[in-house]
Amino acid sequence: EDQVTQSPEALRLQEGESSSLNCSYTVSGLRGLFWYRQDPGKGPEFLFTLYSAGEEKEKERLKATLTKKESFLHITAPKPEDSATYLCASKAAGNKLTFGGGTRVLVKP
Amino acid sequence: DADVTQTPRNRITKTGKRIMLECSQTKGHDRMYWYRQDPGLGLRLIYYSFDVKDINKGEISDGYSVSRQAQAKFSLSLESAIPNQTALYFCATSDIGEQYFGPGTRLTVT
Repeated sequence: EDQVTQSPEALRLQEGESSSLNCSYTVSGLRGLFWYRQDPGKGPEFLFTLYSAGEEKEKERLKATLTKKESFLHITAPKPEDSATYLCASKAAGNKLTFGGGTRVLVKP
Repeated sequence: DADVTQTPRNRITKTGKRIMLECSQTKGHDRMYWYRQDPGLGLRLIYYSFDVKDINKGEISDGYSVSRQAQAKFSLSLESAIPNQTALYFCATSDIGEQYFGPGTRLTVT
């Protein structure tokens, strides 16, 4: 059974304090590792897809990386508007996603 | 206009009532999904459909049914609502890659 575990569950950062979120996955035949951002009361918003170990993608202050067992979402010099819950999800054959529980990030000014 | 819309956005209903949640998308995708989200449990797949004639159960389909009325429309029904179906429900669509989510329906069963 596919499993995705995210850590930590919650992260409090000062503005400008860089940090990383972890997503560990167990899946047979990974077809993609996805990162989403979710604001309170809203649907998840797509950020990145990673397909193979060693791949990296960046968007503004966010950078996602992938190894054979984990993915990391690095937040560089975060701003209060980066406060959200970040979700990762793995995809095996069949286009179904398995989501982790998310990491709630709070960036204080 | 939003690519994926859900109606209603909020609903309070009583135990035993039948309720339908509706989802429409303008992205032209064949694949559509219904998830529920509960605090601490993340997003869990209820049903999914890869085209109009295809319906598949997800990991938590008991107590739910779906209808794919057209490529753009996918409805979720609770035949007899119970309190533990209180949750946030999301519809999503995709091509072969990432999924795009609607704004969600907050459902409360009293």
